[in-house]
Amino acid sequence: DTEVTQTPKHLVMGMTNKKSLKCEQHMGHRAMYWYKQKAKKPPELMFVYSYEKLSINESVPSRFSPECPNSSLLNLHLHALQPEDSALYLCASSQDLVAGWPLHFGNGTRLTVT
Amino acid sequence: GQQVMQIPQYQHVQEGEDFTTYCNSSTTLSNIQWYKQRPGGHPVFLIQLVKSGEVKKQKRLTFQFGEAKKNSSLHITATQTTDVGTYFCAGPVQGAQKLVFGQGTRLTINP
Repeated sequence: DTEVTQTPKHLVMGMTNKKSLKCEQHMGHRAMYWYKQKAKKPPELMFVYSYEKLSINESVPSRFSPECPNSSLLNLHLHALQPEDSALYLCASSQDLVAGWPLHFGNGTRLTVT
Repeated sequence: GQQVMQIPQYQHVQEGEDFTTYCNSSTTLSNIQWYKQRPGGHPVFLIQLVKSGEVKKQKRLTFQFGEAKKNSSLHITATQTTDVGTYFCAGPVQGAQKLVFGQGTRLTINP
């Protein structure tokens, strides 16, 4: 069981579609993350929110747009994606934005862009 | 940039054999974390090591942090099929509040 919940589990979208990934945690964690993971690769950091403010953007293309409506929720808005954006998108949270705190990952959204 | 190298990339063992994965950083780490990702799953935090020379055990898993805090290892004694998955080490990036992950070691087991 995971304490970080992601929806949907699977998503297939065309290159002209707009969709959103959702993430929720109720552990009182103050840092939330989006990672992208390609097959047989480690997770790759995309965005970090700390206390609901964007803290890190790893030079992610603007077709990915994060949003943190409150301390428990994290969204990733997708628009005009490319087939190479197909991957597992993982949300994670940690107690605080200090690299010593462990990450709690959600189950991920497996995204296919056609 | 700061790198965390992990070897081997793949390891296939017979059930009951031991397994070790090694992690080496280009810089001194304040701490190192280990994660396990089952096939089709998500990374799950296993443990964090903080002190130089630290050794921690979780049942058949033994984690070590090097004296110089630049390397670490995970050793599994008498592997079981439940140990299948990819093991990642991760360390904090100096001057940045984020982790850098090793490439992972994928463990497969012949029952």
